[in-house]
Amino acid sequence: EIVLTQSPGTLSLSPGEGATLSCRASQSLFSSFLAWYQQKPGQAPRLLLYGASSRATGIPDRFSGSGSGTHFTLTISRLEPEDFAVYYCQHYGDSPGLTFGGGTKVEIK
Amino acid sequence: QLQLQESGPGLVKPSETLPLTCTVSGGSITSSDYYWGWIRQPPGKGLEWIGSIHSSGSLNHSPSLKSRVTMSLDTSKNSFSLRLTSVTAADSAVYYCARAQSDTKLRQYWFDPWGLGTLVTVSS
Repeated sequence: EIVLTQSPGTLSLSPGEGATLSCRASQSLFSSFLAWYQQKPGQAPRLLLYGASSRATGIPDRFSGSGSGTHFTLTISRLEPEDFAVYYCQHYGDSPGLTFGGGTKVEIK
Repeated sequence: QLQLQESGPGLVKPSETLPLTCTVSGGSITSSDYYWGWIRQPPGKGLEWIGSIHSSGSLNHSPSLKSRVTMSLDTSKNSFSLRLTSVTAADSAVYYCARAQSDTKLRQYWFDPWGLGTLVTVSS
């Protein structure tokens, strides 16, 4: 089973700053089969990116993704107040199993 | 617009079976393009995938939960269900249902959209 490790656990930043979130896989991911989600308190996760770098419908272009193999990054270019949330990465593709990373909380400094 | 809604008992006793249903509106669960999945989140913790079912009946399970999970489709009600047996306090969580893209090789992709989630507490 592939293990995804997200870092840092918490990122304390101010609105307008940029954020860089990391997701490392225990083995290389086939064809960059990685997604990113945003979750706000009391809400279901929302798909942000798939295929490591493709934005889901309606996602602002300040969210971008990059990476391949075992290291992936989610970048938020300029944090808006609504971006403070928890972010999860998820690998998908072949069985057995999908896994999620442990999450990175982006909090207001 | 596709919407998913989870339903089930909010409280289950230890050792009993947890039944959950996800009702889908705005799209058909018989589409061959999708899996229908279950994900849970214990209070204050991260996301854990439980399992997914394809319209063909193909099943994918989390290895850690496979022995306790049963999933099924009900095409007459456009819904799908999860049964988790022998529950313990560790199974207390918000349970989400979601749709996942699929391909011709029945690989499962990202989850979108998600239901709002339903809180399940395991307690006597």
